[in-house]
Amino acid sequence: DTGVSQDPRHKITKRGQNVTFRCDPISEHNRLYWYRQTLGQGPEFLTYFQNEAQLEKSRLLSDRFSAERPKGSFSTLEIQRTEQGDSAMYLCASSPQSSGTGHEQYFGPGTRLTVT
Amino acid sequence: SQQGEEDPQALSIQEGENATMNCSYKTSINNLQWYRQNSGRGLVHLILIRSNEREKHSGRLRVTLDTSKKSSSLLITASRAADTASYFCATVNFGNEKLTFGTGTRLTIIP
Repeated sequence: DTGVSQDPRHKITKRGQNVTFRCDPISEHNRLYWYRQTLGQGPEFLTYFQNEAQLEKSRLLSDRFSAERPKGSFSTLEIQRTEQGDSAMYLCASSPQSSGTGHEQYFGPGTRLTVT
Repeated sequence: SQQGEEDPQALSIQEGENATMNCSYKTSINNLQWYRQNSGRGLVHLILIRSNEREKHSGRLRVTLDTSKKSSSLLITASRAADTASYFCATVNFGNEKLTFGTGTRLTIIP
C-alpha cells in the first residue's frame, strides 16, 4: 500500500507525559499537513510543510506542540506535557504541489490520542 | 476554527433514494472539496470544484458551487448502504493550501 501511513494508530498517555506521532506521506508528495479532529467536529488545521520547510502554523498549535519534517520525507508531531484537552484524532495528509488551482489531499488513518 | 457549516447535520434515507447535503462558507475561496469519512477507511477525497466552476460530476456524485451565495451542494444519486458515512466540505483560500473543514453531515442509508 503506497498511501499515507501514521504510527501509532492509538496512544493512551497520562497527563503531563510527552508523546510523538509519525507520518509517512506518499513518496512523491512534497506537501504534508497535520490536522486535529475531535468527536463530532470536522478536522482543524494545525500546520503544514513544503518539503522540509514549515510554512504555516495554526494558533491552535500552542508552544507545547512541535512538528518537524527532516529532509522533507516523514514528519513527526510532538506534544509536550499533554493535557486532557489534547485528546483527539491527529490526522496527517499529503499532496503534490499544486499549480495554484488546488489539489486534493490524501489522508492517513490517524492517530487517536487519549490523555487520562 | 470551522469555515462553514453543512446542512443538515444528520440525514437518513432509504437505499436507492438520492441524498443532498449543503455547505455554506464565509470567505472567498480558491476551491471547495468534499470528503467522506467512515470508521473503515478514514477521510477520503470525493471531488474538487474550483471557484470558476459551477457544477461537477463524478460517478453518482454531483457538486454545485455558487460563489455569490458562498454555498455548495453535494448530491449522491441512487444511494447504497456503503454510502453511510460523514460528509465534509472543505475550502481552500487563495494563497495557501490548507483545508478548512465544515462541521459535517452524518448520512445513514437504510437498507
